[in-house]
Amino acid sequence: EAEVAQSPRYKITEKSQAVAFWCDPISGHATLYWYRQILGQGPELLVQFQDESVVDDSQLPKDRFSAERLKGVDSTLKIQPAELGDSAMYLCASSFWTGRGTGELFFGEGSRLTVL
Amino acid sequence: QKEVEQNSGPLSVPEGAIASLNCTYSDRGSQSFFWYRQYSGKSPELIMSIYSNGDKEDGRFTAQLNKASQYVSLLIRDSQPSDSATYLCAVKGGKLIFGQGTELSVKP
Repeated sequence: EAEVAQSPRYKITEKSQAVAFWCDPISGHATLYWYRQILGQGPELLVQFQDESVVDDSQLPKDRFSAERLKGVDSTLKIQPAELGDSAMYLCASSFWTGRGTGELFFGEGSRLTVL
Repeated sequence: QKEVEQNSGPLSVPEGAIASLNCTYSDRGSQSFFWYRQYSGKSPELIMSIYSNGDKEDGRFTAQLNKASQYVSLLIRDSQPSDSATYLCAVKGGKLIFGQGTELSVKP
Protein backbone atom coordinates (compact mmCIF):
# COMPACT_ATOMS: atom_id res chain seq x y z
CA GLU A 1 0.00 0.00 0.00
CA ALA A 2 1.35 3.43 -0.96
CA GLU A 3 2.41 5.56 1.96
CA VAL A 4 3.63 9.04 2.71
CA ALA A 5 7.24 8.78 3.84
CA GLN A 6 8.67 11.15 6.45
CA SER A 7 12.01 11.44 8.16
CA PRO A 8 13.32 11.65 10.75
CA ARG A 9 10.70 10.08 13.05
CA TYR A 10 12.21 11.76 16.08
CA LYS A 11 14.48 14.76 16.45
CA ILE A 12 15.89 16.27 19.62
CA THR A 13 17.70 19.55 19.25
CA GLU A 14 18.77 22.52 21.28
CA LYS A 15 17.20 25.90 20.81
CA SER A 16 18.81 28.10 18.16
CA GLN A 17 19.86 25.07 16.12
CA ALA A 18 18.62 24.31 12.62
CA VAL A 19 16.23 21.42 11.94
CA ALA A 20 15.01 19.91 8.70
CA PHE A 21 12.22 17.45 7.94
CA TRP A 22 11.69 15.55 4.71
CA CYS A 23 8.53 14.20 3.13
CA ASP A 24 7.86 12.04 0.08
CA PRO A 25 4.13 11.96 -0.79
CA ILE A 26 2.20 9.14 -2.39
CA SER A 27 3.12 8.89 -6.05
CA GLY A 28 0.79 10.93 -8.21
CA HIS A 29 -0.46 13.14 -5.39
CA ALA A 30 -0.08 16.71 -6.56
CA THR A 31 -1.07 18.34 -3.29
CA LEU A 32 1.28 18.22 -0.31
CA TYR A 33 0.69 19.65 3.16
CA TRP A 34 2.81 20.31 6.22
CA TYR A 35 0.92 20.41 9.50
CA ARG A 36 2.09 21.06 13.03
CA GLN A 37 0.30 19.32 15.89
CA ILE A 38 0.92 20.32 19.47
CA LEU A 39 -0.01 17.70 22.06
CA GLY A 40 -3.72 17.82 22.82
CA GLN A 41 -4.56 19.99 19.83
CA GLY A 42 -5.65 19.40 16.27
CA PRO A 43 -3.25 19.70 13.33
CA GLU A 44 -2.57 23.25 12.16
CA LEU A 45 -1.71 23.86 8.52
CA LEU A 46 1.72 25.41 7.99
CA VAL A 47 2.00 25.23 4.22
CA GLN A 48 0.19 23.68 1.26
CA PHE A 49 1.76 22.96 -2.12
CA GLN A 50 0.07 22.26 -5.40
CA ASP A 51 2.82 20.64 -7.45
CA GLU A 52 5.83 22.91 -6.82
CA SER A 53 3.78 26.04 -6.05
CA VAL A 54 2.82 27.29 -2.61
CA VAL A 55 -0.96 27.55 -2.33
CA ASP A 56 -1.19 28.61 1.31
CA ASP A 57 1.55 29.55 3.75
CA SER A 58 -0.42 32.08 5.75
CA GLN A 59 0.27 30.32 9.07
CA LEU A 60 3.95 29.61 8.40
CA PRO A 61 6.23 31.67 10.70
CA LYS A 62 8.35 32.89 7.85
CA ASP A 63 11.01 34.47 10.02
CA ARG A 64 12.20 31.01 11.03
CA PHE A 65 10.36 28.43 8.93
CA SER A 66 10.83 27.66 5.26
CA ALA A 67 9.42 24.98 2.99
CA GLU A 68 10.18 23.91 -0.53
CA ARG A 69 9.03 21.36 -3.07
CA LEU A 70 11.38 22.11 -5.90
CA LYS A 71 10.43 19.41 -8.41
CA GLY A 72 6.86 19.00 -7.28
CA VAL A 73 7.52 15.65 -5.63
CA ASP A 74 9.26 15.47 -2.25
CA SER A 75 9.42 18.38 0.15
CA THR A 76 11.57 19.78 2.94
CA LEU A 77 10.47 21.85 5.93
CA LYS A 78 13.21 23.74 7.74
CA ILE A 79 13.29 25.58 11.04
CA GLN A 80 16.14 27.95 11.82
CA PRO A 81 16.63 28.80 14.61
CA ALA A 82 14.50 26.38 16.59
CA GLU A 83 12.71 27.70 19.66
CA LEU A 84 11.29 25.87 22.68
CA GLY A 85 7.74 26.48 21.43
CA ASP A 86 8.47 24.58 18.23
CA SER A 87 8.32 21.26 20.08
CA ALA A 88 5.51 19.40 18.33
CA MET A 89 4.68 16.68 15.83
CA TYR A 90 5.27 17.77 12.25
CA LEU A 91 2.92 15.93 9.92
CA CYS A 92 3.19 15.68 6.17
CA ALA A 93 0.12 14.73 4.17
CA SER A 94 -0.77 14.41 0.52
CA SER A 95 -3.95 14.20 -1.50
CA PHE A 96 -4.86 13.37 -5.07
CA TRP A 97 -8.19 15.00 -5.63
CA THR A 98 -8.78 18.66 -6.18
CA GLY A 99 -11.94 20.54 -5.38
CA ARG A 100 -14.16 19.31 -2.62
CA GLY A 101 -12.31 16.02 -2.35
CA THR A 102 -9.20 17.83 -1.23
CA GLY A 103 -9.73 17.07 2.42
CA GLU A 104 -9.17 13.36 2.01
CA LEU A 105 -5.61 13.47 3.22
CA PHE A 106 -3.12 10.69 3.65
CA PHE A 107 -0.71 11.39 6.48
CA GLY A 108 2.82 10.20 7.04
CA GLU A 109 3.91 8.88 10.43
CA GLY A 110 5.10 12.31 11.47
CA SER A 111 8.32 13.77 12.81
CA ARG A 112 8.32 14.48 16.52
CA LEU A 113 10.51 17.44 17.42
CA THR A 114 11.73 18.18 20.92
CA VAL A 115 13.58 21.45 21.45
CA LEU A 116 15.65 21.66 24.64
CA GLN B 1 -15.07 31.51 18.43
CA LYS B 2 -12.98 28.67 17.06
CA GLU B 3 -13.55 27.80 13.42
CA VAL B 4 -14.14 24.10 14.21
CA GLU B 5 -15.16 23.15 17.72
CA GLN B 6 -15.29 19.77 19.39
CA ASN B 7 -15.66 18.68 22.99
CA SER B 8 -12.20 17.59 24.05
CA GLY B 9 -13.57 14.83 26.26
CA PRO B 10 -12.62 12.32 27.32
CA LEU B 11 -15.82 10.59 26.30
CA SER B 12 -16.11 7.23 27.98
CA VAL B 13 -18.56 4.56 26.80
CA PRO B 14 -18.92 0.87 27.63
CA GLU B 15 -18.12 -1.74 25.04
CA GLY B 16 -21.07 -2.36 22.73
CA ALA B 17 -22.62 1.07 23.29
CA ILE B 18 -23.08 3.88 20.77
CA ALA B 19 -20.48 6.64 20.90
CA SER B 20 -21.64 10.05 19.68
CA LEU B 21 -19.05 12.66 18.69
CA ASN B 22 -20.05 16.18 17.80
CA CYS B 23 -18.54 19.07 15.89
CA THR B 24 -19.68 22.58 15.04
CA TYR B 25 -18.14 24.95 12.53
CA SER B 26 -18.34 28.67 11.86
CA ASP B 27 -17.83 29.03 8.09
CA ARG B 28 -21.25 28.74 6.41
CA GLY B 29 -19.53 28.34 3.05
CA SER B 30 -17.93 25.04 4.07
CA GLN B 31 -18.66 22.26 1.61
CA SER B 32 -16.72 19.21 2.72
CA PHE B 33 -16.57 17.49 6.08
CA PHE B 34 -14.31 14.76 7.36
CA TRP B 35 -13.69 12.60 10.39
CA TYR B 36 -10.17 11.40 11.15
CA ARG B 37 -9.14 8.92 13.81
CA GLN B 38 -5.83 9.34 15.60
CA TYR B 39 -4.42 6.71 17.91
CA SER B 40 -2.05 7.91 20.62
CA GLY B 41 1.35 8.71 19.16
CA LYS B 42 0.19 7.99 15.62
CA SER B 43 -0.86 10.16 12.69
CA PRO B 44 -4.48 10.83 11.70
CA GLU B 45 -6.27 8.50 9.31
CA LEU B 46 -9.42 9.33 7.38
CA ILE B 47 -12.45 7.28 8.38
CA MET B 48 -15.41 9.22 6.94
CA SER B 49 -16.17 12.03 4.52
CA ILE B 50 -19.55 13.65 3.98
CA TYR B 51 -20.57 16.35 1.53
CA SER B 52 -24.39 16.52 1.62
CA ASN B 53 -26.93 17.03 4.36
CA GLY B 54 -28.15 13.85 5.97
CA ASP B 55 -26.56 10.59 7.04
CA LYS B 56 -23.78 8.55 5.52
CA GLU B 57 -23.14 5.05 6.83
CA ASP B 58 -20.00 2.94 6.53
CA GLY B 59 -20.02 -0.20 8.60
CA ARG B 60 -20.30 0.74 12.28
CA PHE B 61 -19.73 4.41 11.50
CA THR B 62 -22.40 6.96 10.58
CA ALA B 63 -21.61 10.57 9.77
CA GLN B 64 -24.41 13.12 10.02
CA LEU B 65 -24.38 16.61 8.50
CA ASN B 66 -26.72 19.53 9.08
CA LYS B 67 -25.44 22.56 7.19
CA ALA B 68 -28.27 24.81 8.43
CA SER B 69 -27.17 24.18 12.01
CA GLN B 70 -23.48 24.07 11.04
CA TYR B 71 -23.19 20.75 12.79
CA VAL B 72 -21.57 17.45 11.92
CA SER B 73 -21.47 14.32 14.03
CA LEU B 74 -20.04 10.83 14.03
CA LEU B 75 -21.82 7.86 15.55
CA ILE B 76 -19.95 4.66 16.31
CA ARG B 77 -22.24 1.69 16.89
CA ASP B 78 -21.22 -1.38 18.88
CA SER B 79 -18.16 0.45 20.20
CA GLN B 80 -15.07 -1.67 20.69
CA PRO B 81 -11.97 -1.05 22.86
CA SER B 82 -10.03 -0.74 19.59
CA ASP B 83 -12.11 2.37 18.82
CA SER B 84 -10.39 4.16 21.71
CA ALA B 85 -8.64 7.07 20.05
CA THR B 86 -8.94 10.79 19.42
CA TYR B 87 -11.43 11.70 16.70
CA LEU B 88 -10.70 14.83 14.70
CA CYS B 89 -13.38 16.72 12.82
CA ALA B 90 -12.10 18.56 9.75
CA VAL B 91 -14.04 21.08 7.69
CA LYS B 92 -13.14 22.47 4.30
CA GLY B 93 -14.26 25.85 3.13
CA GLY B 94 -11.37 27.79 1.63
CA LYS B 95 -8.95 25.57 3.49
CA LEU B 96 -9.14 22.42 5.60
CA ILE B 97 -9.47 23.24 9.30
CA PHE B 98 -9.20 20.64 12.04
CA GLY B 99 -10.92 20.72 15.39
CA GLN B 100 -8.97 19.96 18.54
CA GLY B 101 -10.28 16.41 18.67
CA THR B 102 -12.42 14.40 21.06
CA GLU B 103 -10.77 11.62 23.02
CA LEU B 104 -12.91 8.48 23.10
CA SER B 105 -12.36 5.69 25.61
CA VAL B 106 -14.28 2.42 25.20
CA LYS B 107 -14.26 0.37 28.39
CA PRO B 108 -14.46 -3.46 28.17
